[in-house]
Amino acid sequence: SQTIHQWPATLVQPVGSPLSLECTVEGTSNPNLYWYRQAAGRGLQLLFYSVGIGQISSEVPQNLSASRPQDRQFILSSKKLLLSDSGFYLCAWSGRVRETQYFGPGTRLLVL
Amino acid sequence: KQEVTQIPAALSVPEGENLVLNCSFTDSAIYNLQWFRQDPGKGLTSLLLIQSSQREQTSGRLNASLDKSSGRSTLYIAASQPGDSATYLCAVRRYNTDKLIFGTGTRLQVFP
Repeated sequence: SQTIHQWPATLVQPVGSPLSLECTVEGTSNPNLYWYRQAAGRGLQLLFYSVGIGQISSEVPQNLSASRPQDRQFILSSKKLLLSDSGFYLCAWSGRVRETQYFGPGTRLLVL
Repeated sequence: KQEVTQIPAALSVPEGENLVLNCSFTDSAIYNLQWFRQDPGKGLTSLLLIQSSQREQTSGRLNASLDKSSGRSTLYIAASQPGDSATYLCAVRRYNTDKLIFGTGTRLQVFP
């Protein structure tokens, strides 16, 4: 069966510090991968999605970036965090037929 | 631009009641619609997915309907239980895209 992992589960970082969140998927090959952010009182917002290694599409302009160095690894990064980057970050995957998306447990990020 | 709205934003009911959660979307050109459950501080769990050609899907005590022409979907929960307490999110996917557009969710509390 397929499993999706995210770490860390919780992160507290000062403004201006770098960020690296990791997501890995097990039990499937060539998944589509997604990064979402859920801010307090707001819906989920798609940040990035990837259909293959090194292929990243950005949905919103921001100081975050994403990379996919391996087929089942998706990384969300920032060089300098802003207060507005605080939120709950969710990684998801779907099969190539673009059906159900399956979500990871999420990372709660607090920027102080 | 596709917008997804969920009403009500919050709902509190006694155990055993049947209830209906509503989701509306502005652009009827959707590929499918998905209902998710999110427990506090957790990731999303997929409940039901309805293709644009379908009218409804059922899983246990859950039934989701889709009226694409009117831009509406409902999630019916029969005989609610305290374990159903969570936030319920609907999301739509347009044709030729991997992106899900989420509503802001309905926070459900079922009390004993």
